[in-house]
Amino acid sequence: EIVMTQSPATLSVSPGERATLSCRASQTVNSHLAWYQQKPGQAPRLLIYGVSTRATGIPARFSGSGSGTEFTLTISSLQSEDFAVYYCQQYNDWPPINFGQGTRLEIK
Amino acid sequence: QMQLVQSGAEVKKPGSSVKVSCKASGGTFSNSGISWVRQAPGQGLEWMGGVIPIFVTANYAQKFQGRVTITADRSTSTAYMELSSLKSEDTAVYYCARYRGGSYNYWFDPWGQGTLVTVSS
Repeated sequence: EIVMTQSPATLSVSPGERATLSCRASQTVNSHLAWYQQKPGQAPRLLIYGVSTRATGIPARFSGSGSGTEFTLTISSLQSEDFAVYYCQQYNDWPPINFGQGTRLEIK
Repeated sequence: QMQLVQSGAEVKKPGSSVKVSCKASGGTFSNSGISWVRQAPGQGLEWMGGVIPIFVTANYAQKFQGRVTITADRSTSTAYMELSSLKSEDTAVYYCARYRGGSYNYWFDPWGQGTLVTVSS
């Protein structure tokens, strides 16, 4: 079973600044890595799949990178609507399909 | 664009079962896979299992094997998740989500709005 670990648990960033979120897999997931955003009381929303491909309608300020076991989600210039919880998910080796525990992005 | 609409909140007694539905509109449900993911209060996302047309049977997380049944009625574009022998720890929001991708590599998009299942005596 592949374990996904996200860091930090909470990230405090000011609007307009860059945010960098990390996700580590316990073994390689190749390029089979997705990112989701979840706001309070809402369902998760797909941001990125295949490490770096933005989903339909996702702004260009969201970008993903990495390979193998180390991945990064970068938000280049934080907008107020970006403060949320972010999850990574591996889909290389399953079942089970595992998510990271999440990173809470909060306003500094 | 497919949308997924789930059934309403449920309150159940310990030891009972719950069945949550997820109806698709738009898109092509007949060749779509549907997964179920749950989220306990204040916790992260936990994949439970799902059905994908190319697979003969549903796939389940080992944690839920024997307790969960996931099915899809292609004639009504509706997927179902039934969880039995409910415990208080099963109190959570349950989401359905469509599998996207292929060749045994899948992510989730879109998601249903979620169904709160509360297990309490």
